[in-house]
Amino acid sequence: KQEVTQIPAALSVPEGENLVLNCSFTDSAIYNLQWFRQDPGKGLTSLLLIQSSQREQTSGRLNASLDKSSGRSTLYIAASQPGDSATYLCAVSRGGTSYGKLTFGQGTILTVHP
Amino acid sequence: NAGVTQTPKFRVLKTGQSMTLLCAQDMNHEYMYWYRQDPGMGLRLIHYSVGEGTTAKGEVPDGYNVSRLKKQNFLLGLESAAPSQTSVYFCASSDRGVRRTEPQHFGDGTRLSIL
Repeated sequence: KQEVTQIPAALSVPEGENLVLNCSFTDSAIYNLQWFRQDPGKGLTSLLLIQSSQREQTSGRLNASLDKSSGRSTLYIAASQPGDSATYLCAVSRGGTSYGKLTFGQGTILTVHP
Repeated sequence: NAGVTQTPKFRVLKTGQSMTLLCAQDMNHEYMYWYRQDPGMGLRLIHYSVGEGTTAKGEVPDGYNVSRLKKQNFLLGLESAAPSQTSVYFCASSDRGVRRTEPQHFGDGTRLSIL
């Protein structure tokens, strides 16, 4: 059974700092990995999706990397801002007939203070 | 530009009551999903659908039923609510895509309390 772990569970940083969030998964037979953002009381917003054949994806100040063989992914946030404060979740999808079913980590709560 | 809409947003039920949660998407997506989110457990898949008229069990299907009579709607039913079903329920949808690599789009959730 796939298990997804995110470290740290919570992170507090000053504005402007670069930071890294970590995600690990136990079964390397994944189809893709997604990073989501969740604001309090809201649903999830997809930030980046990395296919299993890719090494990284970038969107603005966000960069996600994937090392499928070691079961690890990182989300790098450059020049953090208070507006980045949210819970960040990673999720992996199996291939075959999984139809995009996701297994989620428990998330990292990020606080960026001015 | 609604995306995925869930109704209701909040609900309090008594043990044994029944109710239906509605999810509607306006993106013509083939796939739809129901998750529950509990503290310390993350999001877990309850049921999903790969097209109109189809449904399948996810990781935690017991106590729930679903229906997808129309492509844009996915209903989640609780026949006899139990306190263990107190949770935040999220609906999501995604396009089928060529290689099933489309991101999932989520609604804002339904906060359900069972007393």
